[in-house]
Amino acid sequence: NAGVTQTPKFQVLKTGQSMTLQCAQDMNHNSMYWYRQDPGMGLRLIYYSASEGTTDKGEVPNGYNVSRLNKREFSLRLESAAPSQTSVYFCASRVGAQETQYFGPGTRLLVL
Amino acid sequence: QKEVEQNSGPLSVPEGAIASLNCTYSDRGSQSFFWYRQYSGKSPELIMFIYSNGDKEDGRFTAQLNKASQYVSLLIRDSQPSDSATYLCAVIRGSARQLTFGSGTQLTVLP
Repeated sequence: NAGVTQTPKFQVLKTGQSMTLQCAQDMNHNSMYWYRQDPGMGLRLIYYSASEGTTDKGEVPNGYNVSRLNKREFSLRLESAAPSQTSVYFCASRVGAQETQYFGPGTRLLVL
Repeated sequence: QKEVEQNSGPLSVPEGAIASLNCTYSDRGSQSFFWYRQYSGKSPELIMFIYSNGDKEDGRFTAQLNKASQYVSLLIRDSQPSDSATYLCAVIRGSARQLTFGSGTQLTVLP
């Protein structure tokens, strides 16, 4: 099992460009999450999907959209990137009965 | 007041000593508490979770929970240089069972 995978690992964007961060899990988990991590601020929840077909906003959703493509995949889209979105983005998943979340390796994004 | 608060550190302990990491939370309805370890440039990995008041031990790690004081801690016995990392406290809250993280405590174990 690969667990939670994320692509790309690194990305540099110019202000105003768009991109999609991909996340997939092979653990048959119901819930999936997108976080961003900034220095000194811990991880903050952007969006989550409690199950296939549902998505909800987290703490910092502005500037982002998500798609739960199927049970395995949950993507995060930046429509018009801003320097404030420079961050490390982590995807996580959780099986329904348990509360432990498992994290992917992260995507490091720099917006110039 | 932040929902989950941790001393940012850095905390330095000599090899073989006990490292004590502390966390407080504001939501009295919180039920589940987690400690994650994060090495520089890596993703968080779960060390322990605790649901009930008291102590929970797993190898060199002990998690302690005091719901009345809204306090959770992590003790690392016989600290090793490989324990040097940032330790994140996280709390499950809300009907959506979202994880809320503290900002982390950076631990350095000196050889």
